[in-house]
Amino acid sequence: GAGVSQSPSNKVTEKGKDVELRCDPISGHTALYWYRQSLGQGLEFLIYFQGNSAPDKSGLPSDRFSAERTGGSVSTLTIQRTQQEDSAVYLCASSSQTGNTGELFFGEGSRLTVL
Amino acid sequence: KQEVTQIPAALSVPEGENLVLNCSFTDSAIYNLQWFRQDPGKGLTSLLLIQSSQREQTSGRLNASLDKSSGRSTLYIAASQPGDSATYLCAVRQDSGYALNFGKGTSLLVTP
Repeated sequence: GAGVSQSPSNKVTEKGKDVELRCDPISGHTALYWYRQSLGQGLEFLIYFQGNSAPDKSGLPSDRFSAERTGGSVSTLTIQRTQQEDSAVYLCASSSQTGNTGELFFGEGSRLTVL
Repeated sequence: KQEVTQIPAALSVPEGENLVLNCSFTDSAIYNLQWFRQDPGKGLTSLLLIQSSQREQTSGRLNASLDKSSGRSTLYIAASQPGDSATYLCAVRQDSGYALNFGKGTSLLVTP
């Protein structure tokens, strides 16, 4: 696609439920990032993918959070047993390593509300 | 751990003014620095990317400079317009990693 696509754009769930957030990066971009933006807070790094592997997952806040990427393209961020503090906007970004400029392009985000 | 600070946190200017947004970082071993714009309820739009070997980048009315040794970058916006109203975010990528470390942003309001 022309840009990074994320779905759903909005998700309201009850505490304790599992949620899946999807990211479709720009075609051909090998690097993919997940960030979290909480109300009034800065952007918090969660995980980085190069192809299908995740060399840096240091930002995942707990073992309730996991992410995978398949076919070097689509990525899914899964949050198990959601808590109210998980409420945030989850942003995905992709980058082409061609020329190694490292410029990131972000999607519109998935807004998660945990009741 | 890299710390990125943006000053001021908020800024209100009348239309037509030239303005400067500041970004500082504590670890100068950076790979690049990127400026973004975020409109309310939206994702981030990349404005300018400066590699560590570069001093500045320009795009239209925007000019970003980088002084790596002193840990500073500035974003200069010429002849500001109401459509420039948004939050501007600075982010640095370290030599040793891939993640961008973000500042908390400067919220800009340009009044007609």
